[in-house]
Amino acid sequence: TQLLEQSPQFLSIQEGENLTVYCNSSSVFSSLQWYRQEPGEGPVLLVTVVTGGEVKKLKRLTFQFGDARKDSSLHITAAQPGDTGLYLCAGERNNNDMRFGAGTRLTVKP
Amino acid sequence: GAVVSQHPSRVICKSGTSVKIECRSLDFQATTMFWYRQFPKQSLMLMATSNEGSKATYEQGVEKDKFLINHASLTLSTLTVTSAHPEDSSFYICSASSGQHYGYTFGSGTRLTVV
Repeated sequence: TQLLEQSPQFLSIQEGENLTVYCNSSSVFSSLQWYRQEPGEGPVLLVTVVTGGEVKKLKRLTFQFGDARKDSSLHITAAQPGDTGLYLCAGERNNNDMRFGAGTRLTVKP
Repeated sequence: GAVVSQHPSRVICKSGTSVKIECRSLDFQATTMFWYRQFPKQSLMLMATSNEGSKATYEQGVEKDKFLINHASLTLSTLTVTSAHPEDSSFYICSASSGQHYGYTFGSGTRLTVV
């Protein structure tokens, strides 16, 4: 079983719609990261959240870390075709122990 | 920002041969590097943690004699797939942390095809 449960696994929406991706676990993380990966390339870090309840915004992307530091969400407002890609959450439990969720494959149709 | 260079980006080899993949941190020292494997449409699965100057730590189910990891310097880690077989065909990605901030920098990945 995955340490981090990420949902939904697949998401296909129209340009302009909003969406939320969830990352849940029964484990507490010292930090949680969100990555975006394009086909044939390595993941690129979008954000790191460290404090329970923390909210970070990156243009149209809003990231939230749960109060108990066990879960996180990524919300995209007014999605654009350029947002299409694989979004991965990754939790770090202690130094150098980082595990990935299964990923959410997002497709934004023009 | 931190950059991790991974080579080669693609490699095709014959079954039974060995392939070496290099991962270099270009502008920072990486005491720890991580090696992942990713199958199509799946997430990254940690294979092993590479520590400079010491033996790598392998995840359960990963054959250490098949996937040889060497981390001889603070800027270079290598993964050698020995006696490769078609089922070893996959996307291999390394990552490293500079230790100065949270988050990890990934290499661009290596697409290995064993024929």
